[in-house]
Amino acid sequence: DAGVIQSPRHEVTEMGQEVTLRCKPISGHNSLFWYRQTMMRGLELLIYFNNNVPIDDSGMPEDRFSAKMPNASFSTLKIQPSEPRDSAVYFCASSPRRGSTEAFFGQGTRLTVV
Amino acid sequence: GDSVTQMEGPVTLSEEAFLTINCTYTATGYPSLFWYVQYPGEGLQLLLKATKADDKGSNKGFEATYRKETTSFHLEKGSVQVSDSAVYFCALIEGGSEKLVFGKGTKLTVNP
Repeated sequence: DAGVIQSPRHEVTEMGQEVTLRCKPISGHNSLFWYRQTMMRGLELLIYFNNNVPIDDSGMPEDRFSAKMPNASFSTLKIQPSEPRDSAVYFCASSPRRGSTEAFFGQGTRLTVV
Repeated sequence: GDSVTQMEGPVTLSEEAFLTINCTYTATGYPSLFWYVQYPGEGLQLLLKATKADDKGSNKGFEATYRKETTSFHLEKGSVQVSDSAVYFCALIEGGSEKLVFGKGTKLTVNP
C-alpha cells in the first residue's frame, strides 16, 4: 500500500483565498484524522471521522475551517478565507478501525498564507 | 483534559551516546502511551507503544516503560546513531477514545 497520500505537498496562497487540502487514507482504514502542526502549538487534532462520519470537530479553530469525507477513500480540509496565521503543516492520518491504537500519517501539506 | 509534557529540545548528542527524552502525562483514566518519530520532511511514524502499566515498548533499539506511579513514559536508547536525528513525540490515547494527544516534540540531532 502507498500509505496515506496528501496533496499538495506545498501550497502558497494569498490572504483571503480559499485553500483545499486533500487526503487519501490507506485502503480499508475506517478512521481519518486531520492534524495541524505549528512551532507554537505543536500538533493539534482538528477533526476526525469514523466510517466517513465526523465524530469530533472540537479542534477546528473557527468557521473558516471545514472538512468533508464524501467517501472512504477521500477527505478534504478547506480554509475559506485563509489568513497568515493559518500557515502550518497539515497532516492527515488514518487508522484501521475505531479503537485502534496506531495512526498512520501522510507526509503533510505545508501551507503558507502570505 | 488529557495532556503530555515532554522535555524541551533541542537535544544534541554525539554518535554512540546514551539518549533519554523525558515524557510525563496527565490523564483521567488508563491511557495507552506512544512514541512517534518524525524524520525531516516526512510525516510521523509510530516508534513504540505500551498499553498498560509496567509494559515496555521497544523498537530499533529504543525503549520506554509505562510507569503509572510516576505517570511517565521516558524514551531511552543506549547508543544513538546519526540516522536517529529526528523529532520525537510522546503521545497518549485515553481508553475508549481515538484522539491522540501529543507532546510538543523534542528535536534530536546526533553528530558523527
